[in-house]
Amino acid sequence: GESVGLHLPTLSVQEGDNSIINCAYSNSASDYFIWYKQESGKGPQFIIDIRSNMDKRQGQRVTVLLNKTVKHLSLQIAATQPGDSAVYFCAEKLSGGSNYKLTFGKGTLLTVNP
Amino acid sequence: DAGVTQSPTHLIKTRGQHVTLRCSPISGHKSVSWYQQVLGQGPQFIFQYYEKEERGRGNFPDRFSARQFPNYSSELNVNALLLGDSALYLCASSTGLAGYQETQYFGPGTRLLVL
Repeated sequence: GESVGLHLPTLSVQEGDNSIINCAYSNSASDYFIWYKQESGKGPQFIIDIRSNMDKRQGQRVTVLLNKTVKHLSLQIAATQPGDSAVYFCAEKLSGGSNYKLTFGKGTLLTVNP
Repeated sequence: DAGVTQSPTHLIKTRGQHVTLRCSPISGHKSVSWYQQVLGQGPQFIFQYYEKEERGRGNFPDRFSARQFPNYSSELNVNALLLGDSALYLCASSTGLAGYQETQYFGPGTRLLVL
């Protein structure tokens, strides 16, 4: 069935360290993945996406890695800052047809200690 | 440009009542999706509309309905409210033109509390 899960529900890091947030997905038919950041009281904010024909994509201070063999993706945040503290969700979309919904995991709470 | 806007920001209702939530997408976006986010969980897909037509529906009861207007804004309606409907209701907009691999941008949400 469709499900997206996270390995670590909470992650605490020191300011300036690199953070890695992991996500496992179960549906091999998914071929588009997105990471969202959600701060308290706000809606999810788009961070970065990756399509299944890629295994790595970089943005500003963030990198997403996709391993289709083991159905795993990760979000790496370089030089983590206090403003990065939030809940991070991975989301997936199934390929083809008219299936446009995003399926979200439960999220990982990232806490950055100054 | 303004992002996705939603109204109201907060709402308190009692069981059995009806509620209407509103969403205005990003200018130029023609597709609106609705999600329900229960505390401590990820958002769950409810509906997607494109050009005023329903494009997708999640696993929600018929008490939930939605529509999209000619200006691409949208309403989510929930009838016969239950305590379990208490959640953050999120609206997301996208261009609707790039197929399923297009980014959805979320609004701040409407926090609904059912007593």
